[in-house]
Amino acid sequence: AQSVSQHNHHVILSEAASLELGCNYSYGGTVNLFWYVQYPGQHLQLLLKYFSGDPLVKGIKGFEAEFIKSKFSFNLRKPSVQWSDTAEYFCAVIASAGSARQLTFGSGTQLTVLP
Amino acid sequence: DAGVIQSPRHEVTEMGQEVTLRCKPISGHNSLFWYRQTMMRGLELLIYFNNNVPIDDSGMPEDRFSAKMPNASFSTLKIQPSEPRDSAVYFCASSLGRAVVLQFFGPGTRLTVL
Repeated sequence: AQSVSQHNHHVILSEAASLELGCNYSYGGTVNLFWYVQYPGQHLQLLLKYFSGDPLVKGIKGFEAEFIKSKFSFNLRKPSVQWSDTAEYFCAVIASAGSARQLTFGSGTQLTVLP
Repeated sequence: DAGVIQSPRHEVTEMGQEVTLRCKPISGHNSLFWYRQTMMRGLELLIYFNNNVPIDDSGMPEDRFSAKMPNASFSTLKIQPSEPRDSAVYFCASSLGRAVVLQFFGPGTRLTVL
């Protein structure tokens, strides 16, 4: 079974600082990878996804993530955060094939951006 | 499309009471998922349905939890009797096809059991 680890539980940054949130997964096969964002009081929204091809994926609101297969990682980055990026961020993984696939989420990273 | 609709948005109840959470998936989606989100355990998949049939309920914590999907446009998650440790945000999500790659989430139901 796959699992996802997000080692940073809470990150606090000032506006304009650069962001990198770590995500590592464990699974022996090919995976699809996702980052979801949950703004305060709102539901989960897809930020970006990786299926195949270019390992550097660009998502909405200036976010990007890089899939490094050798490190089983899919870290989320943004060069300059804004106060409105304050939210909880979830990394998720799903096996690319198989009959009983599940989307497995990490425990989430709470990002607080100080104005 | 209105997206995934969940009701109620907030529920406060006393220990021992029955709680029913409701979900309406996006029209045309044939897979539906129930998740529970807590500070301690993060986001956990409880159960998912495909074409109204429960496919995997291994995440359901115990017999007090039950889920049904009587038709393609409605699902319920019931807790009976409820306990304080059930307090969490419960999300419903839906997707097209059994390959559950892209799920659309509802706004969640925040449940507080006193």
